Amino acid sequence: AQSVTQLDSHVSVSEGTPVLLRCNYSSSYSPSLFWYVQHPNKGLQLLLKYTSAATLVKGINGFEAEFKKSETSFHLTKPSAHMSDAAEYFCVVSDRGGGGADGLTFGKGTHLIIQP
Amino acid sequence: SQTIHQWPATLVQPVGSPLSLECTVEGTSNPNLYWYRQAAGRGLQLLFYSVGIGQISSEVPQNLSASRPQDRQFILSSKKLLLSDSGFYLCAWGGTSGIYEQYFGPGTRLTVT
Repeated sequence: AQSVTQLDSHVSVSEGTPVLLRCNYSSSYSPSLFWYVQHPNKGLQLLLKYTSAATLVKGINGFEAEFKKSETSFHLTKPSAHMSDAAEYFCVVSDRGGGGADGLTFGKGTHLIIQP
Repeated sequence: SQTIHQWPATLVQPVGSPLSLECTVEGTSNPNLYWYRQAAGRGLQLLFYSVGIGQISSEVPQNLSASRPQDRQFILSSKKLLLSDSGFYLCAWGGTSGIYEQYFGPGTRLTVT
């Protein structure tokens, strides 16, 4: 079985300051991990993905995440927040090694607020 | 490149009316297809997924149904809508050739009145 815990339901930062969105996971297999972003009334956009290659993954819009197996974490970071980063962010785990076409598990989301 | 379309973008329907939402994918063959619902202030709930034409798996018992009449077409239906069916419906594709992530359409906002 797999699960994802996003540790903060809301995160508020000032424009130009660093962003940290925290995610912990559990998986019975070697997981693939993803971060998605959703702007209001829009679909989900893939920010980045980890699929057992480099543990530090760079994504779009200056975001990156580091896979830490010992801590079962996959936190999302960005050095400098921009107003356009305000959105909902979802951490997602896939353990397709467990079989099944439906192998994604979504976190409950973190709402990122950017203060001017 | 692959693209995924959903329509309509928004829909307001009375309780008890039927529903049909359509999703089509371009640029890939034999994708896995998914329907999710996102209720206000909540995460994503997987409703149905399909690994091929005519093959539908249901994750949550409800008054909704899904069909896949063509390889790249996925339809979500209901015979009689309930108030609780209101939400944001997202279609996604994925699962081909070792792709474990899913790619989402723009969504349909359904309001049942």
